[in-house]
Amino acid sequence: DTEVTQTPKHLVMGMTNKKSLKCEQHMGHRAMYWYKQKAKKPPELMFVYSYEKLSINESVPSRFSPECPNSSLLNLHLHALQPEDSALYLCASSPGYSFYNEQFFGPGTRLTVL
Amino acid sequence: QQPVQSPQAVILREGEDAVINCSSSKALYSVHWYRQKHGEAPVFLMILLKGGEQKGHEKISASFNEKKQQSSLYLTASQLSYSGTYFCGTLPRGGAQKLVFGQGTRLTINP
Repeated sequence: DTEVTQTPKHLVMGMTNKKSLKCEQHMGHRAMYWYKQKAKKPPELMFVYSYEKLSINESVPSRFSPECPNSSLLNLHLHALQPEDSALYLCASSPGYSFYNEQFFGPGTRLTVL
Repeated sequence: QQPVQSPQAVILREGEDAVINCSSSKALYSVHWYRQKHGEAPVFLMILLKGGEQKGHEKISASFNEKKQQSSLYLTASQLSYSGTYFCGTLPRGGAQKLVFGQGTRLTINP
């Protein structure tokens, strides 16, 4: 299995809702990432987990809360989001967290905040 | 810290060649190249680690000039399937090990 899966594919939520995005990989990768991508822009790193521990938080607002329950799963909990948070949220994984590892991206969750 | 890509967009006829450049203001550990088709996830193309390194992937190759902190992606005899947005990602030396993507180059291949 050489893919990263993400659910749901699409999500529409109000500003008072609580929702979660899910990411899963079964490649034995020990690093997992959350990126945010706006239309016609590059992916922007949000969080990095290495060996299930949070390694990088790119000063992301607390309304985004990541969680890594085990080495195969990565969640992003959403609460009290703003309309400007609407974007494509990409999950990625790599064998390890280093400068020579390629990242495998999932298809993303397209989030719309009303 | 974001690398600068050029050109921002290019339109080619099938079979023509293209070069996409990526330039950083910082010394780099590595340069990564990804392609993203509309509505899809970015797909890894290649990583360049050493200055002077060149790599190939079908008819797509790349070079990395460590001294100039620049990388170039070469697409030869382009095919319709090469259409998409190409991103370079750089990992700078001396800072946090996080991939920072350039703004992207949109490549359109016409029949």
